[in-house]
Amino acid sequence: SQELEQSPQSLIVQEGKNLTINCTSSKTLYGLYWYKQKYGEGLIFLMMLQKGGEEKSHEKITAKLDEKKQQSSLHITASQPSHAGIYLCGADEYGNKLVFGAGTILRVKS
Amino acid sequence: DTGVSQDPRHKITKRGQNVTFRCDPISEHNRLYWYRQTLGQGPEFLTYFQNEAQLEKSRLLSDRFSAERPKGSFSTLEIQRTEQGDSAMYLCASSLAGMGGLGYTFGSGTRLTVV
Repeated sequence: SQELEQSPQSLIVQEGKNLTINCTSSKTLYGLYWYKQKYGEGLIFLMMLQKGGEEKSHEKITAKLDEKKQQSSLHITASQPSHAGIYLCGADEYGNKLVFGAGTILRVKS
Repeated sequence: DTGVSQDPRHKITKRGQNVTFRCDPISEHNRLYWYRQTLGQGPEFLTYFQNEAQLEKSRLLSDRFSAERPKGSFSTLEIQRTEQGDSAMYLCASSLAGMGGLGYTFGSGTRLTVV
């Protein structure tokens, strides 16, 4: 089955700084989802990428899927305390379900 | 539509007791998924339904776990003879089969604590 590795496991950034979270797959990605989760709550959908080289942005968050479709990155520009949380990448496995990475914990210091 | 609803939000139970959780998906969605998430980990797939048919179950789903979706709408997840290792967040999600690009919508989860 597909496995996703996220890096870093956690990071602390100063408010206003940029940051990048990576998600690497053991297999070709046919659909890659990014979610955000606050502690103890459900998952909030951020973006979904399907095509190699695809890039999507929403507010200050940009996600990319590399050409070989085995790695995705999530970039946050000018981080704010509201960006704090757990970021999860999920791979669409055969169109039947999502398989998730372990998540990246982001803390933003103000 | 208010999204995916899960009930209860929190459940504390004594070891050995049975618990049941409910999930109401987005009404237009024909697929419903159950996941389990422990602290510091991503959600782990348990099972999913398309309409009322249970199409896949994970090896994580022991015999003490059973899920149903009798009319193809809401679903229940029951855990019998709970153990401390069952303590986790149980997440429900729904989607529309064949429209993967539209994504999976998750509920707020049910946090189970077994004491």
